[in-house]
Amino acid sequence: DAKTTQPNSMESNEEEPVHLPCNHSTISGTDYIHWYRQLPSQGPEYVIHGLTSNVNNRMASLAIAEDRKSSTLILHRATLRDAAVYYCILRPLNNAGNMLTFGGGTRLMVKP
Amino acid sequence: DTGVSQDPRHKITKRGQNVTFRCDPISEHNRLYWYRQTLGQGPEFLTYFQNEAQLEKSRLLSDRFSAERPKGSFSTLEIQRTEQGDSAMYLCASSPQTSTGELFFGEGSRLTVL
Repeated sequence: DAKTTQPNSMESNEEEPVHLPCNHSTISGTDYIHWYRQLPSQGPEYVIHGLTSNVNNRMASLAIAEDRKSSTLILHRATLRDAAVYYCILRPLNNAGNMLTFGGGTRLMVKP
Repeated sequence: DTGVSQDPRHKITKRGQNVTFRCDPISEHNRLYWYRQTLGQGPEFLTYFQNEAQLEKSRLLSDRFSAERPKGSFSTLEIQRTEQGDSAMYLCASSPQTSTGELFFGEGSRLTVL
């Protein structure tokens, strides 16, 4: 399976935008890009996913590079509640069971 | 709350004892997953059910681990003869078959083996 690379940690100020990068240079043409986050003492929760085009939902935006070798999760206004570990995951289209392979993720710290 | 629920939330046991965790998925979801997460690491896939059929098992699932989903609803994960290395958070997730990849996770069952 293709691998993702994320910074171990990032810091942000409250109410400012946050851009969380993910490199996936070995991505295949049929790999979906998924983002999950894990708040302290909770299970992971789905944030967003995309294939080629940028995506927006109520939680975040996903910007996908034209060559698909990298992507960026954008939180438009960070709140203290957004402090979590963010995981960038590639899911092959032929992964019929939808199993996800998590890496180490990026720990986001939000300062008031 | 109609999310994924797991029980117990915390379990402390002595090495060599057997433990069992239960997961109740979201009611209309026919897929159920077990993951294990150790401190500072991302979750690792253990096994996956579609209805009552166990379709995939990770190499991480040693002979001491067994998972069941007898009626295609709740699932149990049993660990026999626990070892200190089994100490981890055991996470359950569910999804509908038509899902494009969104898994819904429970809050996990934390196991401490003394």
